[in-house]
Amino acid sequence: KAGVTQTPRYLIKTRGQQVTLSCSPISGHRSVSWYQQTPGQGLQFLFEYFSETQRNKGNFPGRFSGRQFSNSRSEMNVSTLELGDSALYLCASSRDPDRTDTQYFGPGTRLTVL
Amino acid sequence: AQSVAQPEDQVNVAEGNPLTVKCTYSVSGNPYLFWYVQYPNRGLQFLLKYITGDNLVKGSYGFEAEFNKSQTSFHLKKPSALVSDSALYFCAVRDFYGGATNKLIFGTGTLLAVQP
Repeated sequence: KAGVTQTPRYLIKTRGQQVTLSCSPISGHRSVSWYQQTPGQGLQFLFEYFSETQRNKGNFPGRFSGRQFSNSRSEMNVSTLELGDSALYLCASSRDPDRTDTQYFGPGTRLTVL
Repeated sequence: AQSVAQPEDQVNVAEGNPLTVKCTYSVSGNPYLFWYVQYPNRGLQFLLKYITGDNLVKGSYGFEAEFNKSQTSFHLKKPSALVSDSALYFCAVRDFYGGATNKLIFGTGTLLAVQP
């Protein structure tokens, strides 16, 4: 079974631009979560989607948004990029938003903002 | 609020020796605890989880973890370390949102260095 895939793997943008990251969950998984990983802040939760609905959102500004499609694929968008948005963005999928379920992570998208 | 702490930034161990990576937790309600490993320029790989039942949980690649309720700990262990175990290890707890949620709260990570 294929794992979680994320595209693109690497991105370089300049301040003020916007970016869209894509995540395809494991087949049969309907829940997708996004995390930001930085050396200073560690791993922080961005948001969680299930059945095309955002179920939970982390403490990030409104420049960070996401959505989920009917096939469970998800995208996240960051508008008006800032230098501090440089990070590894990780997507994780699980079958359902059940607290006992295991989340499986993709390889991440490395975003660099210049 | 749910939280986990990894008190050691780095753990050094010689190949063939047992290893322990420490994690303590603070939760309201039942703890759902996870260990993940991250290799350079890679995502997180799931190792094991504790939901309920036996306090000793066995996972991937020969790793195991011991859940200790009285000490609120969930230490990761392996009887014999390999150089290839060198990586960044994260302990995580599932958040309690008042409903179903997948949100994980991660520790700061522990870098494991296994010397040949």
